[in-house]
Amino acid sequence: KQEVTQIPAALSVPEGENLVLNCSFTDSAIYNLQWFRQDPGKGLTSLLLIQSSQREQTSGRLNASLDKSSGRSTLYIAASQPGDSATYLCAVRGPNAGKSTFGDGTTLTVKP
Amino acid sequence: GAGVSQSPSNKVTEKGKDVELRCDPISGHTALYWYRQSLGQGLEFLIYFQGNSAPDKSGLPSDRFSAERTGGSVSTLTIQRTQQEDSAVYLCASSPSGGGAGSYNSPLHFGNGTRLTVT
Repeated sequence: KQEVTQIPAALSVPEGENLVLNCSFTDSAIYNLQWFRQDPGKGLTSLLLIQSSQREQTSGRLNASLDKSSGRSTLYIAASQPGDSATYLCAVRGPNAGKSTFGDGTTLTVKP
Repeated sequence: GAGVSQSPSNKVTEKGKDVELRCDPISGHTALYWYRQSLGQGLEFLIYFQGNSAPDKSGLPSDRFSAERTGGSVSTLTIQRTQQEDSAVYLCASSPSGGGAGSYNSPLHFGNGTRLTVT
């Protein structure tokens, strides 16, 4: 059974700082890994998707990496802003019926 | 284009009543998922539909929960005889492909969810 862990559970940083969020998974047989952000009371917004054959994806100030063999992914946020404050979730999609398994998320607070 | 649409956005019901939650996926998406997010918890998989295949119901917590997807598009999640522990946000997602090689580059797109409160 796939298990996904996100560390830390919460993170508080001053504005402008670069930061890294971590995601680990136990079964390396995945199709892809997707990072989301969730604002309070809202649904999930997709940030980046990395296919299992890829090593990283970039979108603006965000960079996600994937090391499938070691079961790890990181989300790097450059020059953080207060608007980046949200909960960040990673999800891995496996071959078993195509469903995704989610981590519990990291709640990020960026202080002005 | 239009995203995943869920209705209602909020539902308050009395314990013991039945509720129906609706999800309208992105047009053309063959895969549809229901997840549940309880307060302060991660996402819990409930059920998955892929095309005309039999749904994967392995995540449904009890036989009070059921879901259907009509015409390969709109889905309804029904909870019978609601209990207080059913209170949660119910999230629907769709994806262009739900299995096989097409899944590699097939992201999940979520709706804003239905917040269910059972009193």
